[in-house]
Amino acid sequence: GENVEQHPSTLSVQEGDSAVIKCTYSDSASNYFPWYKQELGKRPQLIIDIRSNVGEKKDQRIAVTLNKTAKHFSLHITETQPEDSAVYFCAASPAGTYKYIFGTGTRLKVLA
Amino acid sequence: EAQVTQNPRYLITVTGKKLTVTCSQNMNHEYMSWYRQDPGLGLRQIYYSMNVEVTDKGDVPEGYKVSRKEKRNFPLILESPSPNQTSLYFCATGWGRTEAFFGQGTRLTVV
Repeated sequence: GENVEQHPSTLSVQEGDSAVIKCTYSDSASNYFPWYKQELGKRPQLIIDIRSNVGEKKDQRIAVTLNKTAKHFSLHITETQPEDSAVYFCAASPAGTYKYIFGTGTRLKVLA
Repeated sequence: EAQVTQNPRYLITVTGKKLTVTCSQNMNHEYMSWYRQDPGLGLRQIYYSMNVEVTDKGDVPEGYKVSRKEKRNFPLILESPSPNQTSLYFCATGWGRTEAFFGQGTRLTVV
């Protein structure tokens, strides 16, 4: 079955710098890749997603890139702010299913 | 206001005592799903439902049951809870949508 690996597990950046979180997936047929943000003690929130027919998607300071050949996708956050501090999860959904397989999460700390 | 409501928010129970965690949504979403969240393991999908009377197993379905008799409700049933089911549980709706929502979570402790 599908397996998703996420790196790094923790990431500290200075405010204003960029942060990049990378996920790799095993099932080449996976076709939907969402990213979630979970602040401490809160529920996960979908922040951006990408489908396999698109290579990149951007929403203000957040972007996601997908490399189908290498089977990896990445979350890019530019001009980081303290409120970006949270745990970020990637996920992949194998084609023909409505399953989600999640990565184990990245704890991002933005240092003021 | 769009809402996904889980009840209870906190529950401490004993091994073997059947329990149900309810989930209700007011967004008319066809897709609903249950996850458990454990430290170091992230989120793992338990069951999902594409519509009324249509359910399927996620990654970790053992020890759990679900039902989808109405579009708005998707209860999670633990017939005989065990300590390894102690976890934080989330219900969610809206697969593949930017407006996908999670419920507030249910913290379950089985002693």
